[in-house]
Amino acid sequence: YELTQPLSVSVALGETANITCGGRNIGGKNVHWYQQKPGQAPVLVIHRDSNRPSGIPDRLSGSNSGNTATLTIIRAQAGDEADYFCHVWDSRTAVFGGGTKLTVL
Amino acid sequence: EAQLVESGGGLVQPGGSLRLSCAASGLVVGDNYISWVRQAPGKGLEWVSIIYDDGGTYYADSVKGRFAISRDTSQNTVYLQMKGLRVEDMAVYFCARGPNHLDPWGQGTLVAVSS
Repeated sequence: YELTQPLSVSVALGETANITCGGRNIGGKNVHWYQQKPGQAPVLVIHRDSNRPSGIPDRLSGSNSGNTATLTIIRAQAGDEADYFCHVWDSRTAVFGGGTKLTVL
Repeated sequence: EAQLVESGGGLVQPGGSLRLSCAASGLVVGDNYISWVRQAPGKGLEWVSIIYDDGGTYYADSVKGRFAISRDTSQNTVYLQMKGLRVEDMAVYFCARGPNHLDPWGQGTLVAVSS
């Protein structure tokens, strides 16, 4: 099973960024999203398609349907600049997308 | 607060062995699913292995037969025994709690494979 993410996404400060994660019938799976800043471990930001862990701002949201899951960041801030990875489980194997580098301009 | 701390990384020659540890606090490893995930320098995340709460274990094809995951409930620690290490195994190795989303993650331990 493969997950496809764009290598990079750029967003202007204060605007909205959409990071996509493509996979065959991904809408039928639970998708999780992680944020990773340089030199740090990944941090869970969205689980089960659209649920935010405590401490994650409501500027981040997720959706999942058909062949695409999307992480949306509204009112982008400089602190949102990071790599973002999507993740699903398939046949007892964890699958990660290749990661998207979000640049806030 | 649940925390995971990895240790045991280092420099090893190709073909060598290494055992990584993932020490848990604030959670009981025997009641949880714990995964190992690695990240080669400048690359993305790659899942390596998982141990279930019932002791079941699964591996990525790239490490099957060379790596073994285990746990010591008395030490509340999960291990990753790595044998036959290859240059392509060089990465930061993270442990993380499952079984669905992975949270929390440890800070990672670096495994370098070079002659």
